[in-house]
Amino acid sequence: AQKVTQAQTEISVVEKEDVTLDCVYETRDTTYYLFWYKQPPSGELVFLIRRNSFDEQNEISGRYSWNFQKSTSSFNFTITASQVVDSAVYFCALTTLKAAGNKLTFGGGTRVLVKP
Amino acid sequence: DVKVTQSSRYLVKRTGEKVFLECVQDMDHENMFWYRQDPGLGLRLIYFSYDVKMKEKGDIPEGYSVSREKKERFSLILESASTNQTSMYLCASSLAILAGGFDTQYFGPGTRLTVL
Repeated sequence: AQKVTQAQTEISVVEKEDVTLDCVYETRDTTYYLFWYKQPPSGELVFLIRRNSFDEQNEISGRYSWNFQKSTSSFNFTITASQVVDSAVYFCALTTLKAAGNKLTFGGGTRVLVKP
Repeated sequence: DVKVTQSSRYLVKRTGEKVFLECVQDMDHENMFWYRQDPGLGLRLIYFSYDVKMKEKGDIPEGYSVSREKKERFSLILESASTNQTSMYLCASSLAILAGGFDTQYFGPGTRLTVL
């Protein structure tokens, strides 16, 4: 069985501060994929990044960066110089090749509030 | 761009009513999914479909059924709505990739259902 834990339920920062969202996963499968989605107040989940278990390179996309560490089963997400538009709920998710229909297992989400 | 649409953003129904939630995708995706989202629980899979007329139970199928008569449309049915089905419902779709591959799931805007 798969499990994803996002221990932080809510984080509040002031604009321009950096914020790091933690994600810890559990799976017995050796081939798996990790995702981050953003859910703004409008409700739609927006895909941010996908990582497979064989690619441990960190990734940077603009102000977003991701740190994947298999040794600690973590896939953390950092927003640098946060902006008010980053206010949203962020979900980490996991799937494996063995998961029926490649279904996603989601963490509980972390609500980020960026204050001006 | 992938477009997943859901028939209603907000819906209010009474206990015992039959409820239909519709989802349409325009990218010729084989896989379609229905999730419900509750605070602190993240998203949980209700049902998914990997082809027309094919369906598989997810983690919480009780009280729900689905229908997929056309490739682009996936319906979620609450045969007799109950108050504990008050939730946000999200539809997603993805390509089916053979030979051990996987494609990203893209989500619709969600339907917030309230059962009184």
